Amino acid sequence: SQQGEEDPQALSIQEGENATMNCSYKTSINNLQWYRQNSGRGLVHLILIRSNEREKHSGRLRVTLDTSKKSSSLLITASRAADTASYFCATRETSGSRLTFGEGTQLTVNP
Amino acid sequence: EAQVTQNPRYLITVTGKKLTVTCSQNMNHEYMSWYRQDPGLGLRQIYYSMNVEVTDKGDVPEGYKVSRKEKRNFPLILESPSPNQTSLYFCASSLSYGRAEREQFFGPGTRLTVL
Repeated sequence: SQQGEEDPQALSIQEGENATMNCSYKTSINNLQWYRQNSGRGLVHLILIRSNEREKHSGRLRVTLDTSKKSSSLLITASRAADTASYFCATRETSGSRLTFGEGTQLTVNP
Repeated sequence: EAQVTQNPRYLITVTGKKLTVTCSQNMNHEYMSWYRQDPGLGLRQIYYSMNVEVTDKGDVPEGYKVSRKEKRNFPLILESPSPNQTSLYFCASSLSYGRAEREQFFGPGTRLTVL
């Protein structure tokens, strides 16, 4: 399976609820990044968490990183319909300079 | 405005006809890369460049070429396109990579169809 796998593949919630997406990876990393993509558009960087960090916040976003479990989670609190998009995690491996993306989680926030 | 631009945005071509997709960034970024996005496969890196005249293969380089003669430009060349290269292509750039890495900025995408 791929480096940077998101779970679940699709998530549908009501406006105001929290959305949690998970990402698992296999190798040692320098950092892990979360991106958002609206349908057919370019990706927008949300947050970067380094391998020596455990938690990071940005507005309504909270990212955690557990390097012992090789996993990360993205929490979006108080979701809005405008948060509807695909969310991708990407890992920068320590062994190289490639950035590897997962297949993404499709989040739908219903008004 | 800081941005990554790609041209063309949409292209329909035929098998074997050489094409170039241009990518340009105005942020003086060192690192640039190309990705393709396909349903069920996510984004896969084609090539990347850590600086001028320095390029390296990503995960799916077959059938593609790149060049980095200037810092701002990183064109993607398909010498002999085939239908399996029909995809959505993204160029991205970042100030640096590795331990000093910051965010990557993505272009708007180029939707390529090879008939």
